[in-house]
Amino acid sequence: AQKVTQAQTEISVVEKEDVTLDCVYETRDTTYYLFWYKQPPSGELVFLIRRNSFDEQNEISGRYSWNFQKSTSSFNFTITASQVVDSAVYFCALSERLGNQFYFGTGTSLTVIP
Amino acid sequence: DAGVTQSPTHLIKTRGQHVTLRCSPISGHKSVSWYQQVLGQGPQFIFQYYEKEERGRGNFPDRFSARQFPNYSSELNVNALLLGDSALYLCASSLGGGTGAGNEQFFGPGTRLTVL
Repeated sequence: AQKVTQAQTEISVVEKEDVTLDCVYETRDTTYYLFWYKQPPSGELVFLIRRNSFDEQNEISGRYSWNFQKSTSSFNFTITASQVVDSAVYFCALSERLGNQFYFGTGTSLTVIP
Repeated sequence: DAGVTQSPTHLIKTRGQHVTLRCSPISGHKSVSWYQQVLGQGPQFIFQYYEKEERGRGNFPDRFSARQFPNYSSELNVNALLLGDSALYLCASSLGGGTGAGNEQFFGPGTRLTVL
Protein backbone atom coordinates (compact mmCIF):
# COMPACT_ATOMS: atom_id res chain seq x y z
CA ALA A 1 0.00 0.00 0.00
CA GLN A 2 1.14 3.49 -0.76
CA LYS A 3 1.52 6.00 2.03
CA VAL A 4 2.94 9.48 2.43
CA THR A 5 3.95 10.92 5.79
CA GLN A 6 4.56 14.56 6.51
CA ALA A 7 5.46 14.58 10.19
CA GLN A 8 5.66 18.36 10.47
CA THR A 9 2.16 19.69 10.94
CA GLU A 10 3.09 23.35 11.33
CA ILE A 11 6.31 25.30 10.89
CA SER A 12 6.97 28.98 11.56
CA VAL A 13 10.09 30.75 10.38
CA VAL A 14 11.22 34.33 10.23
CA GLU A 15 11.53 35.85 6.79
CA LYS A 16 14.85 35.10 5.04
CA GLU A 17 15.43 31.93 7.04
CA ASP A 18 15.81 28.62 5.23
CA VAL A 19 13.23 25.92 5.92
CA THR A 20 13.01 22.23 5.03
CA LEU A 21 9.74 20.34 4.74
CA ASP A 22 10.04 16.61 5.24
CA CYS A 23 8.28 13.90 3.28
CA VAL A 24 8.62 10.16 3.77
CA TYR A 25 6.84 7.77 1.47
CA GLU A 26 6.06 4.08 1.38
CA THR A 27 5.36 2.00 -1.70
CA ARG A 28 5.93 -1.50 -3.01
CA ASP A 29 6.20 -0.29 -6.57
CA THR A 30 9.62 0.04 -8.16
CA THR A 31 8.32 2.72 -10.50
CA TYR A 32 6.51 5.66 -9.02
CA TYR A 33 6.29 9.45 -9.08
CA LEU A 34 6.63 11.95 -6.26
CA PHE A 35 5.14 15.42 -6.22
CA TRP A 36 5.03 18.58 -4.17
CA TYR A 37 2.05 20.92 -4.26
CA LYS A 38 1.48 24.29 -2.61
CA GLN A 39 -1.97 25.23 -1.31
CA PRO A 40 -2.39 28.93 -0.50
CA PRO A 41 -5.38 30.13 1.54
CA SER A 42 -7.42 30.35 -1.65
CA GLY A 43 -7.47 26.55 -1.69
CA GLU A 44 -6.17 25.86 -5.17
CA LEU A 45 -3.36 23.30 -5.38
CA VAL A 46 -0.34 24.61 -7.24
CA PHE A 47 2.02 22.08 -8.82
CA LEU A 48 5.67 22.58 -7.81
CA ILE A 49 7.61 19.53 -8.93
CA ARG A 50 7.41 15.94 -10.14
CA ARG A 51 10.19 13.35 -9.80
CA ASN A 52 10.18 9.75 -10.99
CA SER A 53 11.68 6.92 -9.02
CA PHE A 54 14.58 6.45 -11.42
CA ASP A 55 15.86 9.99 -11.13
CA GLU A 56 17.48 10.71 -7.77
CA GLN A 57 19.22 13.84 -8.96
CA ASN A 58 18.45 16.76 -6.70
CA GLU A 59 16.73 19.71 -8.31
CA ILE A 60 16.93 23.42 -7.72
CA SER A 61 14.46 25.99 -9.02
CA GLY A 62 15.18 29.47 -7.79
CA ARG A 63 14.77 29.47 -4.02
CA TYR A 64 13.27 25.97 -4.07
CA SER A 65 15.24 22.75 -3.95
CA TRP A 66 14.32 19.12 -3.56
CA ASN A 67 16.32 16.23 -2.12
CA PHE A 68 15.16 12.78 -3.23
CA GLN A 69 16.76 9.81 -1.45
CA LYS A 70 15.44 6.35 -2.26
CA SER A 71 17.60 4.78 0.47
CA THR A 72 15.55 6.57 3.12
CA SER A 73 12.32 6.87 1.07
CA SER A 74 12.38 10.61 1.50
CA PHE A 75 11.63 13.53 -0.78
CA ASN A 76 12.35 16.69 1.19
CA PHE A 77 11.68 20.24 0.07
CA THR A 78 13.82 23.22 1.06
CA ILE A 79 12.93 26.88 0.65
CA THR A 80 15.94 29.17 0.84
CA ALA A 81 15.59 32.74 2.08
CA SER A 82 11.89 32.31 2.81
CA GLN A 83 9.43 35.06 2.00
CA VAL A 84 6.01 35.93 3.38
CA VAL A 85 4.46 34.80 0.08
CA ASP A 86 5.74 31.29 0.80
CA SER A 87 3.19 30.99 3.61
CA ALA A 88 0.87 28.15 2.62
CA VAL A 89 0.18 24.48 3.19
CA TYR A 90 2.54 22.22 1.31
CA PHE A 91 1.60 18.69 0.29
CA CYS A 92 3.81 15.83 -0.77
CA ALA A 93 2.14 13.21 -2.95
CA LEU A 94 2.92 9.82 -4.45
CA SER A 95 1.57 8.15 -7.56
CA GLU A 96 2.20 4.89 -9.37
CA ARG A 97 3.79 5.19 -12.77
CA LEU A 98 0.62 4.44 -14.68
CA GLY A 99 -1.66 4.92 -11.73
CA ASN A 100 -4.77 6.93 -11.70
CA GLN A 101 -4.53 8.56 -8.33
CA PHE A 102 -2.37 10.55 -6.00
CA TYR A 103 -1.75 9.62 -2.39
CA PHE A 104 -1.29 12.87 -0.51
CA GLY A 105 0.34 13.46 2.84
CA THR A 106 -1.49 15.42 5.51
CA GLY A 107 0.39 18.58 4.63
CA THR A 108 2.73 20.99 6.41
CA SER A 109 1.46 24.47 7.17
CA LEU A 110 4.27 26.96 6.72
CA THR A 111 4.05 30.45 8.17
CA VAL A 112 6.73 32.97 7.28
CA ILE A 113 6.82 35.83 9.76
CA PRO A 114 7.93 39.21 8.41
CA ASP B 1 -6.05 30.00 -21.46
CA ALA B 2 -8.56 29.26 -18.76
CA GLY B 3 -7.56 26.83 -16.07
CA VAL B 4 -9.72 24.20 -14.47
CA THR B 5 -13.02 25.72 -13.40
CA GLN B 6 -15.42 24.43 -10.81
CA SER B 7 -18.91 25.42 -9.81
CA PRO B 8 -20.34 26.39 -7.50
CA THR B 9 -17.65 27.97 -5.34
CA HIS B 10 -19.51 27.39 -2.11
CA LEU B 11 -22.51 25.28 -1.27
CA ILE B 12 -24.55 24.71 1.87
CA LYS B 13 -26.78 21.65 2.14
CA THR B 14 -28.55 19.78 4.90
CA ARG B 15 -28.19 16.15 5.84
CA GLY B 16 -29.95 13.75 3.53
CA GLN B 17 -29.92 16.08 0.55
CA HIS B 18 -28.25 15.48 -2.77
CA VAL B 19 -25.54 17.65 -4.36
CA THR B 20 -24.02 17.98 -7.82
CA LEU B 21 -20.60 19.56 -8.32
CA ARG B 22 -19.31 20.53 -11.73
CA CYS B 23 -15.86 20.72 -13.27
CA SER B 24 -14.59 21.96 -16.62
CA PRO B 25 -11.07 20.81 -17.51
CA ILE B 26 -8.38 22.77 -19.25
CA SER B 27 -9.00 22.88 -22.99
CA GLY B 28 -7.51 19.80 -24.60
CA HIS B 29 -7.41 17.78 -21.40
CA LYS B 30 -9.33 14.52 -21.53
CA SER B 31 -8.90 13.27 -17.98
CA VAL B 32 -10.67 14.55 -14.89
CA SER B 33 -10.10 13.45 -11.31
CA TRP B 34 -12.05 14.28 -8.17
CA TYR B 35 -10.61 14.62 -4.67
CA GLN B 36 -12.15 15.29 -1.28
CA GLN B 37 -10.17 17.40 1.16
CA VAL B 38 -11.47 17.45 4.70
CA LEU B 39 -10.24 20.36 6.81
CA GLY B 40 -6.72 19.73 8.06
CA GLN B 41 -6.13 16.72 5.82
CA GLY B 42 -4.64 16.05 2.44
CA PRO B 43 -6.87 15.46 -0.59
CA GLN B 44 -8.30 11.96 -0.91
CA PHE B 45 -8.90 10.44 -4.33
CA ILE B 46 -12.52 9.80 -5.25
CA PHE B 47 -12.70 9.14 -9.01
CA GLN B 48 -10.83 9.52 -12.25
CA TYR B 49 -12.45 9.64 -15.67
CA TYR B 50 -10.69 9.45 -19.01
CA GLU B 51 -12.43 9.64 -22.34
CA LYS B 52 -15.77 9.43 -20.52
CA GLU B 53 -14.93 6.13 -18.83
CA GLU B 54 -14.13 5.55 -15.19
CA ARG B 55 -10.43 4.78 -14.79
CA GLY B 56 -10.15 4.67 -11.04
CA ARG B 57 -12.20 4.80 -7.88
CA GLY B 58 -11.10 5.56 -4.35
CA ASN B 59 -12.45 4.18 -1.12
CA PHE B 60 -15.72 6.08 -1.01
CA PRO B 61 -19.26 4.77 -0.52
CA ASP B 62 -21.71 4.27 -3.35
CA ARG B 63 -23.38 7.55 -2.40
CA PHE B 64 -20.61 9.13 -4.44
CA SER B 65 -20.89 8.91 -8.22
CA ALA B 66 -19.53 10.81 -11.17
CA ARG B 67 -19.65 11.03 -14.91
CA GLN B 68 -17.81 12.70 -17.75
CA PHE B 69 -19.51 14.30 -20.70
CA PRO B 70 -18.49 14.33 -24.39
CA ASN B 71 -16.92 17.78 -23.91
CA TYR B 72 -14.82 16.24 -21.08
CA SER B 73 -16.49 18.24 -18.35
CA SER B 74 -17.50 16.24 -15.32
CA GLU B 75 -20.03 16.07 -12.53
CA LEU B 76 -19.62 14.64 -9.06
CA ASN B 77 -22.84 13.59 -7.35
CA VAL B 78 -23.26 12.85 -3.68
CA ASN B 79 -26.51 11.40 -2.36
CA ALA B 80 -27.86 11.26 1.19
CA LEU B 81 -25.39 13.83 2.46
CA LEU B 82 -23.79 13.31 5.85
CA LEU B 83 -22.14 15.86 8.10
CA GLY B 84 -18.83 14.17 7.33
CA ASP B 85 -19.18 15.03 3.66
CA SER B 86 -18.36 18.65 4.50
CA ALA B 87 -15.12 19.30 2.67
CA LEU B 88 -13.37 21.04 -0.17
CA TYR B 89 -13.95 19.07 -3.36
CA LEU B 90 -11.15 19.46 -5.85
CA CYS B 91 -11.20 18.67 -9.50
CA ALA B 92 -8.03 18.10 -11.47
CA SER B 93 -7.50 17.71 -15.18
CA SER B 94 -4.66 16.25 -17.21
CA LEU B 95 -3.95 15.42 -20.81
CA GLY B 96 -4.25 11.70 -20.40
CA GLY B 97 -5.04 9.11 -17.79
CA GLY B 98 -1.55 8.32 -16.53
CA THR B 99 1.08 10.19 -14.57
CA GLY B 100 3.95 10.11 -17.01
CA ALA B 101 5.76 13.09 -18.40
CA GLY B 102 3.39 15.78 -19.54
CA ASN B 103 0.53 14.42 -17.53
CA GLU B 104 0.69 16.75 -14.58
CA GLN B 105 -2.65 17.23 -12.95
CA PHE B 106 -3.80 20.81 -12.71
CA PHE B 107 -6.24 21.50 -9.93
CA GLY B 108 -9.24 23.78 -9.91
CA PRO B 109 -10.07 26.15 -7.06
CA GLY B 110 -12.46 23.66 -5.51
CA THR B 111 -16.02 23.69 -4.27
CA ARG B 112 -16.45 24.10 -0.56
CA LEU B 113 -19.40 22.01 0.60
CA THR B 114 -20.90 22.51 4.04
CA VAL B 115 -23.45 19.99 5.28
CA LEU B 116 -25.58 21.14 8.19
